[in-house]
Amino acid sequence: AQSVTQPDIHITVSEGASLELRCNYSYGATPYLFWYVQSPGQGLQLLLKYFSGDTLVQGIKGFEAEFKRSQSSFNLRKPSVHWSDAAEYFCALVPTDSWGKFQFGAGTQVVVTP
Amino acid sequence: EPEVTQTPSHQVTQMGQEVILRCVPISNHLYFYWYRQILGQKVEFLVSFYNNEISEKSEIFDDQFSVERPDGSNFTLKIRSTKLEDSAMYFCASTFDRTAAQYFGPGTRLLVL
Repeated sequence: AQSVTQPDIHITVSEGASLELRCNYSYGATPYLFWYVQSPGQGLQLLLKYFSGDTLVQGIKGFEAEFKRSQSSFNLRKPSVHWSDAAEYFCALVPTDSWGKFQFGAGTQVVVTP
Repeated sequence: EPEVTQTPSHQVTQMGQEVILRCVPISNHLYFYWYRQILGQKVEFLVSFYNNEISEKSEIFDDQFSVERPDGSNFTLKIRSTKLEDSAMYFCASTFDRTAAQYFGPGTRLLVL
């Protein structure tokens, strides 16, 4: 069975510092991978996705993620964090043979300090 | 930019009552989904719907749950007899391709008393 692990439940980062959120997955092949962000009281907003091809994908709000097959990872990065990036971040995968059944990680809560 | 909408934003109900959560997916999308997020827990898949039938469902989606697309725009989730443990945020999502990114609505927060 497939699964998604986000090892960090909570991360605190200073405004202007870099951010990296970890995501590891378990799946027999290369799944489709996504990062979503959820601000308090809001729904899930897509940041970026990886289907195939270039392993470094660019997303919205200055985020990027790198797919590493050898490590079964899809880590999210941002070079310089803004206070508005405080939110919860979810990594998700869709098995390539499914009907779009997303498997979400448990999420990483990001707190941005001045 | 088109978006998925959900109503109501909040619903409070008594245990044993029926609730219907409504969603309006993005108009050209073909695949529809319901997820739920119990407070403090991860987002969980409930059901996917395509071509007017359920294509996949999770263990959570038991006989108390049903989905329907009653017309060309709405997509509903019905819980026949709510339980305390049904209290959660329910998200609707849609996409035009089952392998593509899903677009999520803002959610309905359901509280069962």
